[in-house]
Amino acid sequence: GAVVSQHPSWVICKSGTSVKIECRSLDFQATTMFWYRQFPKQSLMLMATSNEGSKATYEQGVEKDKFLINHASLTLSTLTVTSAHPEDSSFYICSADRTSFYEQYFGPGTRLTVT
Amino acid sequence: QKEVEQDPGPLSVPEGAIVSLNCTYSNSAFQYFMWYRQYSRKGPELLMYTYSSGNKEDGRFTAQVDKSSKYISLFIRDSQPSDSATYLCAMSAVQGAQKLVFGQGTRLTINP
Repeated sequence: GAVVSQHPSWVICKSGTSVKIECRSLDFQATTMFWYRQFPKQSLMLMATSNEGSKATYEQGVEKDKFLINHASLTLSTLTVTSAHPEDSSFYICSADRTSFYEQYFGPGTRLTVT
Repeated sequence: QKEVEQDPGPLSVPEGAIVSLNCTYSNSAFQYFMWYRQYSRKGPELLMYTYSSGNKEDGRFTAQVDKSSKYISLFIRDSQPSDSATYLCAMSAVQGAQKLVFGQGTRLTINP
């Protein structure tokens, strides 16, 4: 149990376009989901916390108008990278809280390459 | 100074060796400590979590927390090539669905 999926696993897009990444909790409901960004050989950096039915909370330095987050249901959160630029190329990982004590389960990640 | 410091390695050991991975932190409010394993191009997988100081054992893995020294460790006994991965420590100050602060990760290779 406690499986989190992400789609797509890999995407290439052109500079200036928008890309949507989906995060789903497959066998549990997640009130809270988190979006992280990871550059090569670096650790995970939290971008935003997403609560079902409310606006996401963004970390300092993360542009909320550029990284749009929607948490429409207890099993789905989406991250849309708008007007993508090459510097947005990264590994994006979501996690979902199983509403238990610190059981945050991570998705497999989405590799975004902006050309 | 980063809130959580972790030696990025790389660390390479022979199969069967005992591996010691460590993190130090500066925020005395941290009470919840986790170790994640991340294979290349995959999401992190929770290995261990502990609350406050003490030891926790699960199979070949032992996690230790020393809050007085702000130091946590993960020990892997009888290491296997399949243990080769990046190991990330993570911690948080507040119970529940709260944001985690991660270390940089240590890249570990177990040589057959």
